[in-house]
Amino acid sequence: QKEVEQDPGPLSVPEGAIVSLNCTYSNSAFQYFMWYRQYSRKGPELLMYTYSSGNKEDGRFTAQVDKSSKYISLFIRDSQPSDSATYLCAMRANFGNEKLTFGTGTRLTIIP
Amino acid sequence: AAGVIQSPRHLIKEKRETATLKCYPIPRHDTVYWYQQGPGQDPQFLISFYEKMQSDKGSIPDRFSAQQFSDYHSELNMSSLELGDSALYFCASSLGPQHEQYFGPGTRLTVT
Repeated sequence: QKEVEQDPGPLSVPEGAIVSLNCTYSNSAFQYFMWYRQYSRKGPELLMYTYSSGNKEDGRFTAQVDKSSKYISLFIRDSQPSDSATYLCAMRANFGNEKLTFGTGTRLTIIP
Repeated sequence: AAGVIQSPRHLIKEKRETATLKCYPIPRHDTVYWYQQGPGQDPQFLISFYEKMQSDKGSIPDRFSAQQFSDYHSELNMSSLELGDSALYFCASSLGPQHEQYFGPGTRLTVT
C-alpha cells in the first residue's frame, strides 16, 4: 500500500464549477503538505504549502488539512480551462527528512 | 522571477552509455533535490544536497551518483544506462532543507 493515496481520475468538470481534489495518507510522521500543478511534460508548479490542520486560502485555491483523519484537500473555485492539468499532492516529515512523497496525481480537465 | 534551470532538456542515449544532468538552483537556494518521474507515475525522490553535502537519499541506483558544487549547482551522473532509466528527471531547490521545494522544467532522458 502506498503511503499517499490519490484518486487518479480523470476528472472533468464544466468551467466555473468548484473542484475538489483529495489525498489520504498513512504515515503519521508527515507534517508538511503541498499541492503541485503539473502541465503535460512540464515540471511540477507549487500551488499551496501548509503545515497546520485547517484551511489556507490563496486566490481561487483553498488547501485543507485534517491531520486527525490523515486527509488533505484542494478546492478550486471558479475553475478555468487553464486549470486543466494534473494535480499532485505531496507531503514530507519533519526535520531531517526532506524528501517529498507524492500522490499519483489527479488529471483534471475543465470543459469550456 | 528566476526559476530552477536544468540542462539539457532532452537527452537520447544508448544502453550502457553515460549521461550527466545539470541543475542550477534558484539564486540564494542552497538545497537541491533530484526526482525521477516515469511515464504516468509520480515523482520519486533520488537524492538531495544541502550546503554541498548529501542530506538525504532515496531509491537512487548505485549506477547513479550526484554532487553539489561550490556555486550550489548540482550534477547527476548516470552510468551503464538501462532502458528502464528512460524518464523525466526533475531537480528542485529550496532556501534551506525545511522550506518549499521549487521544481525545474525537467530533463527528458530516453535510453535506446
